[in-house]
Order: sequence, then C-alpha cells, then structure tokens
Amino acid sequence: QSALTQPASVSGSPGQSITISCTGSSSDVGAYEFVSWYQQLPGKAPKVMIYDVRKRPSGVSDRFSGSKSDNTAFLTISGLQAEDEADYYCSSYVSTNSFVLFGGGTKVAVL
Amino acid sequence: QVQLVESGGGLVEPGGSLRLSCAASGFRFSDYYVSWMRQAPGKGLEWVSYITWTGSTTHYADSVKGRFTISRDNAKNSLFLQMNSLRVEDTAVYFCARVGGYCSGGSCYGFYLDSWGQGALVTVSS
Repeated sequence: QSALTQPASVSGSPGQSITISCTGSSSDVGAYEFVSWYQQLPGKAPKVMIYDVRKRPSGVSDRFSGSKSDNTAFLTISGLQAEDEADYYCSSYVSTNSFVLFGGGTKVAVL
Repeated sequence: QVQLVESGGGLVEPGGSLRLSCAASGFRFSDYYVSWMRQAPGKGLEWVSYITWTGSTTHYADSVKGRFTISRDNAKNSLFLQMNSLRVEDTAVYFCARVGGYCSGGSCYGFYLDSWGQGALVTVSS
C-alpha cells in the first residue's frame, strides 16, 4: 500500500491555470477509473472536487477539471483565484485489494 | 443536508484503547459504505478502514490491521472505530466519511469520499 506521488507545492498567479500531477502505478491509478481529488482548507475537513477521474460534484466550480494518462492523474485549476489556496490530495481506490491510496498532498499558492 | 459528526477522541497512553463514534444524519445511512481516514499533525491524509452497507465486509490499511475494528449500527445511524494497542504514531485527527459508489458482484461502481465529518483528535502519549 504505497502512497501516490504528488508535487509538494504548485503556485500560480490569479487568472492562470495550474496542473497538479498524481503518479501511481499500473496496479492502482493506471488500472481503474476510481481517482478522486480533495481540497482541504486550513483547519477544515477535505472536500471532494473531482471523482471517477473527471466527474465534478454539483456545486464545484467548472474551473476544476480532472484527467488521466497511463499511471498519472491530473487536476487542473483554471482561472486561479485566491480562494483556491489550499492543500489538494489525490486518491485511488484499488478494487482488487479493496483499499484506498492517497497522495502526499500538494500545497497550492496563489501569488 | 448530509452531516457526519465524530466523537470520542482524546488522550490515551501507548498500548491503550479508544472508541470513536460518527453520528450520521441527512441521508439514509444504510444505503452507503462509510469509511475512516486520519491525518497526523502537519501530515497528509491516510485511509484507515471502510465498511459495507450491512457491516458484513470490512477492509483495513496494513498499518492498523489487527488493532482497529470498524463497525456500524444502522438502526442508530452510527459508525464506530475501536482502536486497541494504540501507538504514538496513531496520533492524528480521525475523519469519518460517506462513500460515493459501491462494489457488487465483483464489479465496482465508483469509490470516493463525498461527505466528511470535521474530525476527532486522538493523541497517544505517555
């Protein structure tokens, strides 16, 4: 049960687009469409932003989008805003072994 | 609206036990898998365990297997985590969450954490 790999930090200016990567393996991210992304504001509980690789829950801004290529998933935030400053975590469900993996988290800074 | 509220956290000595509870409201509890996650101070999220609709099937992270037990009481809309043989490294905020998706007949139809509680702090220290 190894954690997924995310960059420690990503930054951008207001209005720019940024992309956070989440690298796993052919046994987890590459094998299933069960990748999700969570936003965690300081001192708050995580909130799902993307699920099933690219689906967006109702109420989540369409500035957030998800994709996947081979063993790496991506979260893109378009039109970056100050309120997007937070920690972001990716997650993958591994159905063959019935466990959940998280990435180490990426701190997004809006310059 | 969907609400999950954890309780039962606190300070416990290494080797001790603690039982966390998670009270659910705003949805039909028995229709969902539910899960526990934790977050050590200043660290990232770690999945701990999840339980299926009736509680007949449970799964655990290797780090807690054999020490923690997840259970649920659908009549009381409650989820539990019994934590035994606690270690200093179990110190964390523990979150309960509702699972979107499920598995049936060997296939899974999504699996993500669509609603989270605010967390309960567990501190293991002498």
